[in-house]
Amino acid sequence: GAVVSQHPSWVICKSGTSVKIECRSLDFQATTMFWYRQFPKQSLMLMATSNEGSKATYEQGVEKDKFLINHASLTLSTLTVTSAHPEDSSFYICSAPQTGISYEQYFGPGTRLTVT
Amino acid sequence: SQQGEEDPQALSIQEGENATMNCSYKTSINNLQWYRQNSGRGLVHLILIRSNEREKHSGRLRVTLDTSKKSSSLLITASRAADTASYFCATATTSGTYKYIFGTGTRLKVLA
Repeated sequence: GAVVSQHPSWVICKSGTSVKIECRSLDFQATTMFWYRQFPKQSLMLMATSNEGSKATYEQGVEKDKFLINHASLTLSTLTVTSAHPEDSSFYICSAPQTGISYEQYFGPGTRLTVT
Repeated sequence: SQQGEEDPQALSIQEGENATMNCSYKTSINNLQWYRQNSGRGLVHLILIRSNEREKHSGRLRVTLDTSKKSSSLLITASRAADTASYFCATATTSGTYKYIFGTGTRLKVLA
């Protein structure tokens, strides 16, 4: 099956700093990628849809200036958490559909962000 | 929120028993997928069922879909301790954006 990678797998940062998380589709092109966040013992909440060559689409309640998304190429999307605070600590997961084949999503392994 | 609901929220069974989890959703869908997540780890895709399918099997897994009731169920037969995990359903809407909405999840614990 298709593979999606994320980097880093975990990161610890100080409050007020910015953190960038990468999501790559390794063996297929993805014009669309999705970013989710997951708090402990909770489900995945869709944050935004990343679109190659255009602006991301954010879900209601997600601050676009706080969570910057850049879909730089057909295989790379980045999520930057700006001026991170402890409440941003979470598990961030990206996914990508293999367009044209099926609607099946391929998920990255996730990035655990801890803000101290 | 568009998030679907799953029940039960938590389920504890003995090894060898069957486990059934249910998922309800709110909008028309293109397909529904079930995922497993071990604690603190990424998602593992289990099975995809399309809106025109009613039942699908994969090994010890059986998934049903009732679009009239907007519900799906996941049955794990002859459960094993290794099946202990959280299980989520995710629905793809018919809008064509591939956007997936996840259910609230069921935490399954299989006791050896």
